Amino acid sequence: DAGVIQSPRHEVTEMGQEVTLRCKPISGHDYLFWYRQTMMRGLELLIYFNNNVPIDDSGMPEDRFSAKMPNASFSTLKIQPSEPRDSAVYFCASSDGYPLDGYTFGSGTRLTVV
Amino acid sequence: AQKVTQAQTEISVVEKEDVTLDCVYETRDTTYYLFWYKQPPSGELVFLIRRNSFDEQNEISGRYSWNFQKSTSSFNFTITASQVVDSAVYFCALSANYGGATNKLIFGTGTLLAVQP
Repeated sequence: DAGVIQSPRHEVTEMGQEVTLRCKPISGHDYLFWYRQTMMRGLELLIYFNNNVPIDDSGMPEDRFSAKMPNASFSTLKIQPSEPRDSAVYFCASSDGYPLDGYTFGSGTRLTVV
Repeated sequence: AQKVTQAQTEISVVEKEDVTLDCVYETRDTTYYLFWYKQPPSGELVFLIRRNSFDEQNEISGRYSWNFQKSTSSFNFTITASQVVDSAVYFCALSANYGGATNKLIFGTGTLLAVQP
């Protein structure tokens, strides 16, 4: 299996622009998570899905952030409009629902908003 | 509330020294899972180990060992004979079932380990 695939690896955008981050989970995993990592706040959970349905979005910072999972093999995290404080590394992870093998993380997307 | 505390922000050791990374957790659930992840300078998060709350046996994997003590709510990680390649940020994490929300992985703030040659 190719693991959790995130794209792009790096994104530089100007303030006010829309940014879309993409994630392909491991086939057969029915949980998908979006995390954000910053120096100030560490690793924080933004939202997670179970069977494509958002279960907990309490970590989404504000209305500028939205996430979708239209099918079992694809999810997006969108920021519109982006701000410099959104600069961070965004990780996607998937799990088969039983934490027997842990959560598998993607390589992350490093977002820089200038 | 669920919480993971890694009080050590940074640790610096010389190669071949043993080093222990501390992790203290809080949860009201009786069923939970604890994890350790490694984040090398390249940035990816690498899964190291998972323990469930019913298994307090210590575990050893090569130079790595983990000590789980429910009495002190701790899940400490020891690297024996450290090597430069062990230099990374290490995260302890907790997954518990509360309020019907399962599988939510809560991370500690991480410990930066620097192993000097």
